[in-house]
Amino acid sequence: DAGITQSPRHKVTETGTPVTLRCHQTENHRYMYWYRQDPGHGLRLIHYSYGVKDTDKGEVSDGYSVSRSKTEDFLLTLESATSSQTSVYFCAGGGGTENTEAFFGQGTRLTVV
Amino acid sequence: GIQVEQSPPDLILQEGANSTLRCNFSDSVNNLQWFHQNPWGQLINLFYIPSGTKQNGRLSATTVATERYSLLYISSSQTTDSGVYFCAVRGGGNKLTFGTGTQLKVEL
Repeated sequence: DAGITQSPRHKVTETGTPVTLRCHQTENHRYMYWYRQDPGHGLRLIHYSYGVKDTDKGEVSDGYSVSRSKTEDFLLTLESATSSQTSVYFCAGGGGTENTEAFFGQGTRLTVV
Repeated sequence: GIQVEQSPPDLILQEGANSTLRCNFSDSVNNLQWFHQNPWGQLINLFYIPSGTKQNGRLSATTVATERYSLLYISSSQTTDSGVYFCAVRGGGNKLTFGTGTQLKVEL
């Protein structure tokens, strides 16, 4: 996983509750990414960060927010979880100028009931 | 944004066979990677190859950036090669965009 740790690894939550997923990295990656993976859709980018407090939207950002207050941590928040957000979430670090190769964490399986 | 297409979408091989997976992209890129997602869901880095050719054991990859495609070669396939193979590219922006993958099954 090249220093990318996601927590929790599994979570079941109820519709309407807020959920925060954490991605922690130890490699000083400048770039960090959050993806979701669903059957038939591959990996789709939710949000990404290109530095502390610098974030931007991906292709499926509705219903999600992110924060990056320090280099090591990139948080993904579902403000009010819906069943359509049941998915496997992956975090990645790297892919920027200084760290050109991106590495992935182990994934978080989120179920919204 | 950049469009990434992979082919074939599905592939079944007998153990020992060779295969070629293709990744086409719609614009110039400065980052191209190949990943293998194993049956347990883990994404494993295979190659970082924005251009040129690389080899790692039974796997090799070639990217022809000027023609906007990359190829992943698997020789003497083994059952442990089964899973999904993704290519991902980054163009002028910061987004790392994935293709939809090639599902590979290697049978005895």
